[in-house]
Amino acid sequence: DADVTQTPRNRITKTGKRIMLECSQTKGHDRMYWYRQDPGLGLRLIYYSFDVKDINKGEISDGYSVSRQAQAKFSLSLESAIPNQTALYFCATSEAGTDYEQYFGPGTRLTVT
Amino acid sequence: QKEVEQDPGPLSVPEGAIVSLNCTYSNSAFQYFMWYRQYSRKGPELLMYTYSSGNKEDGRFTAQVDKSSKYISLFIRDSQPSDSATYLCAMSETNAGKSTFGDGTTLTVKP
Repeated sequence: DADVTQTPRNRITKTGKRIMLECSQTKGHDRMYWYRQDPGLGLRLIYYSFDVKDINKGEISDGYSVSRQAQAKFSLSLESAIPNQTALYFCATSEAGTDYEQYFGPGTRLTVT
Repeated sequence: QKEVEQDPGPLSVPEGAIVSLNCTYSNSAFQYFMWYRQYSRKGPELLMYTYSSGNKEDGRFTAQVDKSSKYISLFIRDSQPSDSATYLCAMSETNAGKSTFGDGTTLTVKP
């Protein structure tokens, strides 16, 4: 079984809808991350969490919110989706002190029409 | 200007060629330098990392870091079709808790 799972894997939604992307991990890592990937733009950090009570904004947090429900679960929400949020979204985890080694989930392809 | 700039590619080489992938950066505080490989429709996976300056070798892969020039490279020897993927460089400061990624270079190795 995969160590980092993301649901859904694909989602099409309409402008203005609220949508939640979920991430679960069985690696026992404290740190979790949400990234967005657009063609030719690499990975951009949206939010990251050091533990359940420590959540930090990344470089592109506007329009997004997160919830760390447990050590193993980190959710990303788009409160009112817009077309330029169409992208591939990745969740990742790492151990404290080894942030250079991140483990990524399979990604969620989100399309906002 | 971005903190991390990566040669854009795409790159297409014949099987057996030596491949050089490169990134430059502007943040002197970066101490960890990583290379991730991402196959189509998959999440990135860590290929190798280097701490501070120097070289690191792992099989056919060699990572080089030149902090004086703020330049890092990944060399692939005897490239194989299975090496066809997007390669992302990434960098982080010690204890920063996060990494900054380049935009990626897509490599195709033709049989």
